[in-house]
Amino acid sequence: EAEVAQSPRYKITEKSQAVAFWCDPISGHATLYWYRQILGQGPELLVQFQDESVVDDSQLPKDRFSAERLKGVDSTLKIQPAELGDSAMYLCASSPGQANTEAFFGQGTRLTVV
Amino acid sequence: GQQLNQSPQSMFIQEGEDVSMNCTSSSIFNTWLWYKQDPGEGPVLLIALYKAGELTSNGRLTAQFGITRKDSFLNISASIPSDVGIYFCAGQWAGNNRKLIWGLGTSLAVNP
Repeated sequence: EAEVAQSPRYKITEKSQAVAFWCDPISGHATLYWYRQILGQGPELLVQFQDESVVDDSQLPKDRFSAERLKGVDSTLKIQPAELGDSAMYLCASSPGQANTEAFFGQGTRLTVV
Repeated sequence: GQQLNQSPQSMFIQEGEDVSMNCTSSSIFNTWLWYKQDPGEGPVLLIALYKAGELTSNGRLTAQFGITRKDSFLNISASIPSDVGIYFCAGQWAGNNRKLIWGLGTSLAVNP
């Protein structure tokens, strides 16, 4: 069964360091999402790609966060510098198209900033 | 950001009991989605609803898209221990901004 792949599963980093997460969506899925989920809350959308283009990054803290999907397939989310408040689960999801909201999630990356 | 009102916040039930949870919004939605999330894992899509009044089942799970397009419920019949987890509703606005809005989740515990 096709899955969204994310790596790493777990990441511990010191504050002020840079950290990067990688996501490989389900093959053929044009839409890719990065979410942040704080413990006890629902997922919060950080950025949405349609192919290689950003269609929504209104909630992305652009002073420290960046995301790219250069070839419209896999994607990288970067935080530089990391802050203590960035500790959370970072989830990647994909869906066949922008109009199709049935998003399928990866296992996530649990980030701890110390 | 905006979130849905999801209730109850948590439930503790006996194995075999039926469960009901719901989500409400002040905005009209085009789509309602129900997800289940296990600890340390990503959410898994359970049911997707696209039409007002639509009633859809997935095994022991049944979900409905409210007639007003502002609410949805999820029922689980004859609960089993593996139903334990957090259930999230998510809805897509009918307006120009078609962002997916998430509830805060219902935590379900099942006593064997």
